[in-house]
Amino acid sequence: GQQLNQSPQSMFIQEGEDVSMNCTSSSIFNTWLWYKQDPGEGPVLLIALYKAGELTSNGRLTAQFGITRKDSFLNISASIPSDVGIYFCAGQYNYGQNFVFGPGTRLSVLP
Amino acid sequence: DAGITQSPRYKITETGRQVTLMCHQTWSHSYMFWYRQDLGHGLRLIYYSAAADITDKGEVPDGYVVSRSKTENFPLTLESATRSQTSVYFCASSESGLNQPQHFGDGTRLSIL
Repeated sequence: GQQLNQSPQSMFIQEGEDVSMNCTSSSIFNTWLWYKQDPGEGPVLLIALYKAGELTSNGRLTAQFGITRKDSFLNISASIPSDVGIYFCAGQYNYGQNFVFGPGTRLSVLP
Repeated sequence: DAGITQSPRYKITETGRQVTLMCHQTWSHSYMFWYRQDLGHGLRLIYYSAAADITDKGEVPDGYVVSRSKTENFPLTLESATRSQTSVYFCASSESGLNQPQHFGDGTRLSIL
């Protein structure tokens, strides 16, 4: 089946820094989703992407659907302590199949 | 707006026992899902349901049973719990299709001793 890789697995950054993470697949996907999970809670949808090249923002978060359709990127600008958590990507190979979830990127923000 | 709620939030049980995890959503979403989350595996789909009385297996269905007699409820039952089923279980829903974003509950942390 399709698998997603997320990079980096974890990252430690200083408050105020920008963050970049990505999600890659060996298959072409038609939809990408980005979620954030806080400790003890369920994943919360951040951004949904539906077209190759699409760039979508949600506050300080910006995500892009890669041109090759095999990857997606999430950027966080001017990080703050509440950005701490695990960021998951999810991709859909075709409309008749469920989303596949990546293993997550764990973000820590140092004051 | 209650959204999607799971109960219990925490459960400890013994191997061989039956345990049921509850999921309730107030959005009238057609699709509901059950995932388990384990270190190193991310979220893996156990079962999903497209509507009342329609369920399908996901990636890891063995040892689990689901039912959907009402649109708003989607319980997950472990008929004879095993230690390998110790995990965090998440219920999710989407409005009307597999191609739509899913919205998750806060999870049930299940420990099987």
